[in-house]
Amino acid sequence: DGGITQSPKYLFRKEGQNVTLSCEQNLNHDAMYWYRQDPGQGLRLIYYSQIVNDFQKGDIAEGYSVSREKKESFPLTVTSAQKNPTAFYLCASKPRDRSEKLFFGSGTQLSVL
Amino acid sequence: RKEVEQDPGPFNVPEGATVAFNCTYSNSASQSFFWYRQDCRKEPKLLMSVYSSGNEDGRFTAQLNRASQYISLLIRDSKLSDSATYLCVVIGGYQKVTFGIGTKLQVIP
Repeated sequence: DGGITQSPKYLFRKEGQNVTLSCEQNLNHDAMYWYRQDPGQGLRLIYYSQIVNDFQKGDIAEGYSVSREKKESFPLTVTSAQKNPTAFYLCASKPRDRSEKLFFGSGTQLSVL
Repeated sequence: RKEVEQDPGPFNVPEGATVAFNCTYSNSASQSFFWYRQDCRKEPKLLMSVYSSGNEDGRFTAQLNRASQYISLLIRDSKLSDSATYLCVVIGGYQKVTFGIGTKLQVIP
C-alpha cells in the first residue's frame, strides 16, 4: 500500500542534542512538507520541498534543517539552536498539481528531557 | 499580518444547528483552497476543496470569494460527530501549503 511513514512516533531529546525525524513516502509525490503543531495551535510550516535537491524555508525554519536527496525521503533535523523543540511534528506530501490534497504521516511527538 | 487567519473559537452549538466559519488569506496570488478537519492530536484529513463556484458535499458547503480574499465553510444540521477543529488551507507559489490556526467546533447534545 502506498503511504507516508514517519518515525519514530515518540522521541526524546536531551538539552543541546540534535535529533532527526524521518519521513518517507512511496506515493511518487514531488512535494513534501514539515509542520510543527503546539497544543491548541494550528500547523506551522517549517520547511518544504517541491522537488529533489531543492527546499525552501517555511514560516518557522530557525533551529531546523532538512535535506531532499531522494524523492521519497525528507528528514528533518531539530538542532540544539531550536530552544523550544517540544511539539508534535507532522510530515506531508502531495503531487505537483495544486488541486491535489496533502497526504499526512501519523506524526512524531518530540519531548525534551 | 498572517498569511491565513481564522477565528480559533471555540464555537459551541447545539445538535441540528447551522454553523459557519470564515477564513481570510493575505496573498491575492494564492492558487488553491481547502478545508481540512483535525481530531485531537491526529493528522488532518481533507474535508473538501473550495472553488469560486461553490462546493457542496452533503451537509457541508464551501465557498471562495477571491475579491474579498476569504473562504467559508457552512455546516448544516450539526451532528455530535462534527466536533473537531476545522483548518483552512491555502496553496500559493512554489507549492507552499499554509494552514490557518483552526476553528474548534463543539456540538452539544
